Amino acid sequence: EGQLLESGGGLVKPGGSLRLSCAGAGMDFNNYPMAWVRQAPGKGLEWVSAISGAGGGGFYADSVKGRFTISRDNSNSTLFLQMHALRVEDTAVYYCTKIRGINWWDPWGQGSLVTVSS
Amino acid sequence: QSALTQPPSASGSPGQSVTISCTGTSSDVGGYNYVSWYRQNPGKAPEAVIYEVTKRPPGVSARFSGSKSGNTASLTVSGLQVEDEADYYCSSFAGNNIYVFGTGTTLTVL
Repeated sequence: EGQLLESGGGLVKPGGSLRLSCAGAGMDFNNYPMAWVRQAPGKGLEWVSAISGAGGGGFYADSVKGRFTISRDNSNSTLFLQMHALRVEDTAVYYCTKIRGINWWDPWGQGSLVTVSS
Repeated sequence: QSALTQPPSASGSPGQSVTISCTGTSSDVGGYNYVSWYRQNPGKAPEAVIYEVTKRPPGVSARFSGSKSGNTASLTVSGLQVEDEADYYCSSFAGNNIYVFGTGTTLTVL
């Protein structure tokens, strides 16, 4: 079912910005919605954002609405998450995942660590 | 968008069955047949073991089964094996392209 590979994570100061990318390989990327899910250190999974297969407007958890923007480039099978006004509580491993069916997430990328700290 | 409630831990002996619950509301678990379950080993990405309440993805053992009653979904692992030790998370569609995950359950095989 192919692979997803995230990149772009790192250390950023509170209030800063970061852009995550997720490249899909060996899969039907264009026809499926995609999503970002995060996991704070030692904590559970949290849905962050989703976007339809065609792109357009995204959908967001209340915790990131107005600060994060999801987008995709189907010509390059790549998903993005632009993050602004980052907070300490945004520190997490961010996973991208393909939505194969309504609320069926598969496969998942290996994750990209975002650390927000001064 | 409150997290679904799962017990923090569950355990069983090899060969036994264990059931993990996932409680939400009529706006998520109770309102849609779109509950899925994910297994996560330490340091690894999650992987689906159940979707649409009862369906198993290709390659997932028939020892994993799902069900739902009202606002509570359940995952049952039968014939427990040591390799079933992991964290398990439920997830539900909540309408309007919104999704919610459970708080997670650590399964221990004694």
